[in-house]
Amino acid sequence: GAGVSQTPSNKVTEKGKYVELRCDPISGHTALYWYRQSLGQGPEFLIYFQGTGAADDSGLPNDRFFAVRPEGSVSTLKIQRTERGDSAVYLCASSFRQTSGANVLTFGAGSRLTVL
Amino acid sequence: DAKTTQPNSMESNEEEPVHLPCNHSTISGTDYIHWYRQLPSQGPEYVIHGLTSNVNNRMASLAIAEDRKSSTLILHRATLRDAAVYYCILRDGGSQGNLIFGKGTKLSVKP
Repeated sequence: GAGVSQTPSNKVTEKGKYVELRCDPISGHTALYWYRQSLGQGPEFLIYFQGTGAADDSGLPNDRFFAVRPEGSVSTLKIQRTERGDSAVYLCASSFRQTSGANVLTFGAGSRLTVL
Repeated sequence: DAKTTQPNSMESNEEEPVHLPCNHSTISGTDYIHWYRQLPSQGPEYVIHGLTSNVNNRMASLAIAEDRKSSTLILHRATLRDAAVYYCILRDGGSQGNLIFGKGTKLSVKP
């Protein structure tokens, strides 16, 4: 597709349930990023993939959060035993290196997660 | 990535120019200055970036101070659709790592 696609756009779940959020990056983009954004705050970095491997997962808040990108394209963010504090908009972005040497990220519209 | 400082909010009138400031006194020689904006209920959107020279594109202009410790995003004629949160971010030129967002500047545009 032309842009970064995220599904579902909205997800409501109950505390303790398991959730998967999917990101389809722009074709050919080698880097993929996950962020989450709480109301009134800027996006907070979670994890970044270069190809299939996680190049930086320092933003994952705890071991309930996990992300995969098995074929270097689509990525899934997985959240186990969801808590009310996990409620946020989860943003995905992708990029390739710009010729200027400063790469630009293209973001999806996000997946809004509400944990009741 | 070095830190940036922006005003929490700004107001503008429609059809007038807007100057959004950003301070980055600890910028290093290889840091690019990036601007993104986020419209309501959307993901952030790239606006412009630069290293040392002023830059222009179809969306905006970026004016970079000679010592690079500050920069200004210029919207030449604000429209209601420019109402958004604008983020100023420093990015090492050789990095493909993550962007670190602050709280940005919330721009309101009055008709």
